[in-house]
Parts: sequence; structure tokens; C-alpha cells
Amino acid sequence: NAGVTQTPKFQVLKTGQSMTLQCAQDMNHNSMYWYRQDPGMGLRLIYYSASEGTTDKGEVPNGYNVSRLNKREFSLRLESAAPSQTSVYFCASSGRQGFNTEAFFGQGTRLTVV
Amino acid sequence: AQTVTQSQPEMSVQEAETVTLSCTYDTSENNYYLFWYKQPPSRQMILVIRQEAYKQQNATENRFSVNFQKAAKSFSLKISDSQLGDTAMYFCALSGNTPLVFGKGTRLSVIA
Repeated sequence: NAGVTQTPKFQVLKTGQSMTLQCAQDMNHNSMYWYRQDPGMGLRLIYYSASEGTTDKGEVPNGYNVSRLNKREFSLRLESAAPSQTSVYFCASSGRQGFNTEAFFGQGTRLTVV
Repeated sequence: AQTVTQSQPEMSVQEAETVTLSCTYDTSENNYYLFWYKQPPSRQMILVIRQEAYKQQNATENRFSVNFQKAAKSFSLKISDSQLGDTAMYFCALSGNTPLVFGKGTRLSVIA
């Protein structure tokens, strides 16, 4: 059982380049999330999708876009990467209904913008 | 807005000893869950334990237990018989009507 799968695991971008982080879950979860993790900051929510067809901004959405392609897949796009977006990105999914349940995480993507 | 505060950036403990990690939170919701996640050097986020706010009994998972003080909005994690494999970042997290909110984490080192 794969759980939550993110690709790629590592990426180096030049300032101004674009890229899409892919995420898929096979647990039939309704909700999916993108977080970023920076040293000393914990995990901060970028965007989330409470259900297929909906997306909402989290705490730090600037510079990102998302697409909930179907129930399984939730992608994160950086249109014009900046050094401030150097971070570890986590995709997660949860639950049958609502947010009051544990989230399951992918293995993360370490992104460096130079 | 929901907030989670972990006031101990780093802690260390001797192997086989007991350690307690602190977490306080703030929420206006009545129905919420609290979690402790572990992040070892592999970077994987692993759920350690969870607590439903409506349950008064403290959750326990093997060597891991919590002290949930609802009125004080406190949710500490106790690790008994610490093992080298417990070395990791530990995050406290809160959910309710909004997605998980995380604290900044506590780095725990278990020393042989």
C-alpha cells in the first residue's frame, strides 16, 4: 500500500524557473494538503483541498498555485521560483470527512532555488 | 485562529530514561484533535499518538503517553524507556474545523 506518493524527492531550480510537484494518494481520502517545512518554523500550510473540486489558501500561499486533478491527485506549482521558496515540501491527505483526523504524509521534496 | 506552541527547541535524554515534551495550544473550537508526530532524519512524518478533545482519558501507545489538560490547553508527550531510535524532531499538531496546525517542533536527542 503506497499511501501518499510525492515526486520528485529532490529538485534544484534556478531563480525564475517553474516546476510542478506531484502528489497522489491511494487511501480514498477526501482532503489533501501542501505544507512547507523550514528550519525553526515547523510545517506551514500552503494550500489545501477539502474535497475534489475545491481548493483553498493556507497560511503561506503567495507564489504557489495548486490543482486538484481528481480525488487521488493534488499538484503544487511554482510559476517563477524564488530563493525564498527553498524548503522541504510535504503533501498529505486525510480522512473520510472533515479535518478532525490524522493526516498521512508523503516523503517530502527538498527544493533548492539558486 | 488556532495556534500551537512548543517552548523547547531542543532536549536530550539518556537511553532508558523518561522525557516529557511540552505543547500548549489555543483554539475556540469545542471539537478538536491533538497529535504528536515524529520526524526522524529520514524526513518521514510519523504519527506517534492522538487525542480526541472530548475524551478525558489520556491516550497511550506503548512507551508513549500524553498528559492532556483541556482547561489549561496543554498537551505534553511522555516517552518512557527512551531508545536511540527515538532521536527525532517531534511536532505537536492541532486540528478542528481547519487543517492541521503545527508547532515549531522539539529536537530530541537520545544519548547512549
